[in-house]
Amino acid sequence: AQSVSQHNHHVILSEAASLELGCNYSYGGTVNLFWYVQYPGQHLQLLLKYFSGDPLVKGIKGFEAEFIKSKFSFNLRKPSVQWSDTAEYFCAVNLNRDDKIIFGKGTQLHILP
Amino acid sequence: NAGVTQTPKFQVLKTGQSMTLQCAQDMNHNSMYWYRQDPGMGLRLIYYSASEGTTDKGEVPNGYNVSRLNKREFSLRLESAAPSQTSVYFCASSVQAVGAGAFFGQGTRLTVV
Repeated sequence: AQSVSQHNHHVILSEAASLELGCNYSYGGTVNLFWYVQYPGQHLQLLLKYFSGDPLVKGIKGFEAEFIKSKFSFNLRKPSVQWSDTAEYFCAVNLNRDDKIIFGKGTQLHILP
Repeated sequence: NAGVTQTPKFQVLKTGQSMTLQCAQDMNHNSMYWYRQDPGMGLRLIYYSASEGTTDKGEVPNGYNVSRLNKREFSLRLESAAPSQTSVYFCASSVQAVGAGAFFGQGTRLTVV
C-alpha cells in the first residue's frame, strides 16, 4: 500500500534560518504530490503541488519543493523562515489513477522570534 | 463562497451514542473525503467518495459509515461511539483531476467520554 514518510516530527528554528522538511513516498507509479500547512487552530491549506513538468515547484509564502523521482522524495524548502511559519506541515500523495489522498504524519515547525 | 462546510464544530458524546457529521461543498467537486487527525498520527483517511453514488474504505474505516447523499454532501456516521474515536474530523473535497489537491473544511472536534 502507498505510504508517506515525513522524517522530522518536530523542528525548531530561529527566524531567518533555512528550512528543509523531508518527505518520501512508497509508490513506484505515477504520483501527484502535495504539501499542506495547518496553522494553529485552523484547517489544512494547500501550499504547493506537483503533478507533472518542472520538478522544482514553487508555492505560496516563499515555499518550494523538489520532486526527485529516483529518490521517491518531495522535500519542502524555504530559504529564510519567519515566525509566522510556525505551523504543522503535511506531505501527501495521490496516485495518478486513484482518488485517495494519503498524508504523512506531519512535521510540527516552531520558529523562534 | 463557502467552500467546504462541516457541522457541528464541536461535539461531546457518551460511549455508545450515535451521531452523524455533516459535510457539504459548493465547488462542484466530484471527490470527497473524511479524515481523522490525531496527535502524532497525521491525517488518516477514513472513507472517500470518488463520485456521487460511490464510496470506498480508506485506512481506518472500522466503526464508521458514510453516505454520499448527492454531489454536494458526504456524511460520516458513528453508530456506537467509542473513546478511541475521540479526534478531530476533517472533510475535504477535490476536483477529480490529476494533481488537483483537496480543499478542507474547518474540522469537527469530537470527544467521546
